[in-house]
Amino acid sequence: QQQVKQSPQSLIVQKGGISIINCAYENTAFDYFPWYQQFPGKGPALLIAIRPDVSEKKEGRFTISFNKSAKQFSLHIMDSQPGDSATYFCAAGGSNYKLTFGKGTLLTVNP
Amino acid sequence: EAGVAQSPRYKIIEKRQSVAFWCNPISGHATLYWYQQILGQGPKLLIQFQNNGVVDDSQLPKDRFSAERLKGVDSTLKIQPAKLEDSAVYLCASSLGLMDRGETQYFGPGTRLLVL
Repeated sequence: QQQVKQSPQSLIVQKGGISIINCAYENTAFDYFPWYQQFPGKGPALLIAIRPDVSEKKEGRFTISFNKSAKQFSLHIMDSQPGDSATYFCAAGGSNYKLTFGKGTLLTVNP
Repeated sequence: EAGVAQSPRYKIIEKRQSVAFWCNPISGHATLYWYQQILGQGPKLLIQFQNNGVVDDSQLPKDRFSAERLKGVDSTLKIQPAKLEDSAVYLCASSLGLMDRGETQYFGPGTRLLVL
């Protein structure tokens, strides 16, 4: 059972554009929603995270938008740069401290 | 600060052989995780340790996979015997261990396993 659905599978954006990746979850017990960034040959690294008590969190060019009623959250990358080219994973965590990851989105930012 | 260390980085074995992976977490981190990442998918938790005790191993195929974390520091993950479908990247992660659901997990570079 896939508890976290992520889309799109891949995304191509021009430099300076906005990248948007969406995730939806099923388990209402989830209450922690991080995004991880993974470069080839490296392990995932935490990018930004949100809890359901806020609808938006911004850190630099990266913003998470959260819609609790729709059970959806998204990552927005403003002014996308070629260095942002990587695979992005959304995840969800709950009281059992276990993270459930989405399948990932391969982002390519063209110069 | 040194990150999570894993070895080997790559391993190629024949099916039915055994293999072991090693992980050294960030110093002072009480919680250690092993994940399996199949190509094109997100990481899937196999086992979670808190110090040297198992917190969650519900997705560990116990007929062939085993893991230990002696002395609450380093950990090894073993597969015996390996199957073709075990080909994946095996990621180790660690966190402080405060058992806070918002605790950051720090990942190592992974071990890429190919079973032929």
